[in-house]
Amino acid sequence: ETGVTQTPRHLVMGMTNKKSLKCEQHLGHNAMYWYKQSAKKPLELMFVYSLEERVENNSVPSRFSPECPNSSHLFLHLHTLQPEDSALYLCASSQAGGRVGELFFGEGSRLTVL
Amino acid sequence: AQSVSQHNHHVILSEAASLELGCNYSYGGTVNLFWYVQYPGQHLQLLLKYFSGDPLVKGIKGFEAEFIKSKFSFNLRKPSVQWSDTAEYFCAVNPTGGATNKLIFGTGTLLAVQP
Repeated sequence: ETGVTQTPRHLVMGMTNKKSLKCEQHLGHNAMYWYKQSAKKPLELMFVYSLEERVENNSVPSRFSPECPNSSHLFLHLHTLQPEDSALYLCASSQAGGRVGELFFGEGSRLTVL
Repeated sequence: AQSVSQHNHHVILSEAASLELGCNYSYGGTVNLFWYVQYPGQHLQLLLKYFSGDPLVKGIKGFEAEFIKSKFSFNLRKPSVQWSDTAEYFCAVNPTGGATNKLIFGTGTLLAVQP
């Protein structure tokens, strides 16, 4: 049990579908992150929310739309994705202003785009 | 651009062998350094971290890492590996001074320990 729960664990979608990934953290943290993990590539930071404000967007295409309604929940809305977007999407949380880099990760949502 | 290099993509060892995984980063300023581990089917978890002070840091499960500033390196070591150490290992760097906990990861090293 990591304290960071991601749903769904697996998702298959067509290029015209709209779906969402959900992340919930039970650690009392106030910063949340989306990372993309593709085979043979470094983890790519996508978005960072600190105190519910988006503080970083790493040049992510607009077909990915994050939402952070409160400090415990983070969503990644997906629309008209491409097959190359197939990857493991990891959510993480941390305490903003705390020990930098101590991220707590969820188990990920495996996305396949057909 | 800031980057992290892990030289070994796939390492195979027998139990009781010694382990050293290389990690180099490209950033001229002060950094915080980390190793994360991902066991099969599990989430990424922190193995050890360096912020300041003694450049030799000890982590969980007998792992240690040495920060060599002149070489921009933070290699991971373990004197005697076990089958349960089979996992993927990720080096990560946080350039300090930023407003967020931004971590830059390497590509990972997949370690397979044979019994």
